[in-house]
Amino acid sequence: GAGVSQSPRYKVAKRGQDVALRCDPISGHVSLFWYQQALGQGPEFLTYFQNEAQLDKSGLPSDRFFAERPEGSVSTLKIQRTQQEDSAVYLCASSSIEGGTQYFGPGTRLTVL
Amino acid sequence: AQSVTQLGSHVSVSEGALVLLRCNYSSSVPPYLFWYVQYPNQGLQLLLKYTSAATLVKGINGFEAEFKKSETSFHLTKPSAHMSDAAEYFCAVSDRQGGYNKLIFGAGTRLAVHP
Repeated sequence: GAGVSQSPRYKVAKRGQDVALRCDPISGHVSLFWYQQALGQGPEFLTYFQNEAQLDKSGLPSDRFFAERPEGSVSTLKIQRTQQEDSAVYLCASSSIEGGTQYFGPGTRLTVL
Repeated sequence: AQSVTQLGSHVSVSEGALVLLRCNYSSSVPPYLFWYVQYPNQGLQLLLKYTSAATLVKGINGFEAEFKKSETSFHLTKPSAHMSDAAEYFCAVSDRQGGYNKLIFGAGTRLAVHP
């Protein structure tokens, strides 16, 4: 079946703009994660959903970052008033059960000018 | 708190040579450990994982890793490198508080394979 998809694949934003990044997990997957991968670094955890409930948002770097998964499937990561330090690849992953193997999407590369 | 250290940001081997990518972890609880591979412009793909069963774990594409508690290591090996193995490799440890696998990644090792 289809894997995790993310859109857009590339996003260029001017500093101060708001952006929204979309993640379509594998159908039926309960768990959904967002990670941020800065250039030359490993991914860093941002937030975790179990169905529609956001159970962990400890990795969100500031209150400009907001994530939602209102119907327990598609998720959106929103960044308000983007800054240059927000430039990174944003990865989404899903798993069929809590604690299961995470399957990653291709990521969205965000560049803030 | 859990952490991961990958020794060597770049490793270069000849085709057919042994691949050894090093990973050391820190964890206050028995860890779950993972190796992921990332090809350019793609997401991460799971190579293998250790979840407290056998200490020698076999994964896809001929890779394997051995969990050594006394050395807090989980090094990745492959007996014979192929050109197609050139990619970025990430070791990760799971923070299993709450029952879900919040992955904590190392900085990655870029593997180059030359003819």
